[in-house]
Amino acid sequence: EAQVTQNPRYLITVTGKKLTVTCSQNMNHEYMSWYRQDPGLGLRQIYYSMNVEVTDKGDVPEGYKVSRKEKRNFPLILESPSPNQTSLYFCASRTAGRADTQYFGPGTRLTVL
Amino acid sequence: QKEVEQDPGPLSVPEGAIVSLNCTYSNSAFQYFMWYRQYSRKGPELLMYTYSSGNKEDGRFTAQVDKSSKYISLFIRDSQPSDSATYLCAMRKINAGNMLTFGGGTRLMVKP
Repeated sequence: EAQVTQNPRYLITVTGKKLTVTCSQNMNHEYMSWYRQDPGLGLRQIYYSMNVEVTDKGDVPEGYKVSRKEKRNFPLILESPSPNQTSLYFCASRTAGRADTQYFGPGTRLTVL
Repeated sequence: QKEVEQDPGPLSVPEGAIVSLNCTYSNSAFQYFMWYRQYSRKGPELLMYTYSSGNKEDGRFTAQVDKSSKYISLFIRDSQPSDSATYLCAMRKINAGNMLTFGGGTRLMVKP
């Protein structure tokens, strides 16, 4: 089954404790992205990657890091989480030649105390 | 001011009604337009994708783009309770890689 998986689905942590949210897709997609979703603000893009070792900033990259060492994985790293990073996070992927397909993961709800 | 504006709703309609969802945008550089549906506690799923001005139909869904007015719409015919969800518009500029800008979403409730 074609899918984007994220782990963990729920996470409660404390300020300053480094964490990583993993994202994996099994569709051999070139493009992958991370978004955060907040009430009243909709979905905002954090980072995106157009292929292995190619990443670029989205609208709200501050406080986040990403890496793309393998095509299927695109982890999101919060080196020193803060309460304003409490949000619902989505990973997404699509193939380079088909802008009319984009698959989202199920979401990770992060709470930073 | 946000680049993409969308009325948050909620929009409540009876089953069978025609639903109109809209987004306005301020930047004429947006050239690709998408509509996503998001059920509660789920990730968004792509419904419609359009490039040019005009209409695109897929089953009960019609996407309309008016670039001169910077206005896009999604029409749902014969709405069903299963259409109850949040609908998000999204846009991309040419040569912007995979950078998407989303509207805030409109919550739709279709009552039996």
